Amino acid sequence: QKEVEQDPGPLSVPEGAIVSLNCTYSNSAFQYFMWYRQYSRKGPELLMYTYSSGNKEDGRFTAQVDKSSKYISLFIRDSQPSDSATYLCAMSPYNFNKFYFGSGTKLNVKP
Amino acid sequence: DVKVTQSSRYLVKRTGEKVFLECVQDMDHENMFWYRQDPGLGLRLIYFSYDVKMKEKGDIPEGYSVSREKKERFSLILESASTNQTSMYLCASSLEVVAYEQYFGPGTRLTVT
Repeated sequence: QKEVEQDPGPLSVPEGAIVSLNCTYSNSAFQYFMWYRQYSRKGPELLMYTYSSGNKEDGRFTAQVDKSSKYISLFIRDSQPSDSATYLCAMSPYNFNKFYFGSGTKLNVKP
Repeated sequence: DVKVTQSSRYLVKRTGEKVFLECVQDMDHENMFWYRQDPGLGLRLIYFSYDVKMKEKGDIPEGYSVSREKKERFSLILESASTNQTSMYLCASSLEVVAYEQYFGPGTRLTVT
């Protein structure tokens, strides 16, 4: 079983839609939960991170962590064509030595 | 602005060749990482380094080695390239105290024929 599971998509939505991206994990030692965005032919870049459980909001993006269910989500409100990218979740235990990445969900926002 | 650069965007090598992938970061980061990215498998950690001349194996170190002689430079070496090492290779770096953020280079797409 993989440490982190993520639906690869692709996910295609119309502009303005609310997008929900999700990951599940098995390791209860994970404390940091990150979302990276990767545009085509580029390296991933950090979008948001959350420590432990709870919600975090940044503009149109909201990250949620439910440690009891071992489930994390990224919500994108009012999605834009510029949000079209692959979204990778990543997690690490407290000591930071390693990240565990999901396989990425490819999102396409149609104008 | 942190910059992580990789020596090549595209590389084509033959089976059995020794291959060097170079990565340089300009922000004095302690930690550096090498990943490979394959469809459906995501990013898998090959090796990482938390200091000069220090290295630790990641999840898939077989067939690879690394070198970190200077803080800003981290090299990935394929001793004898094989076709199953055809992949996208990504280098990343992070500050010790802000380790939830890794800064990635643009990647090197390596094809081994």
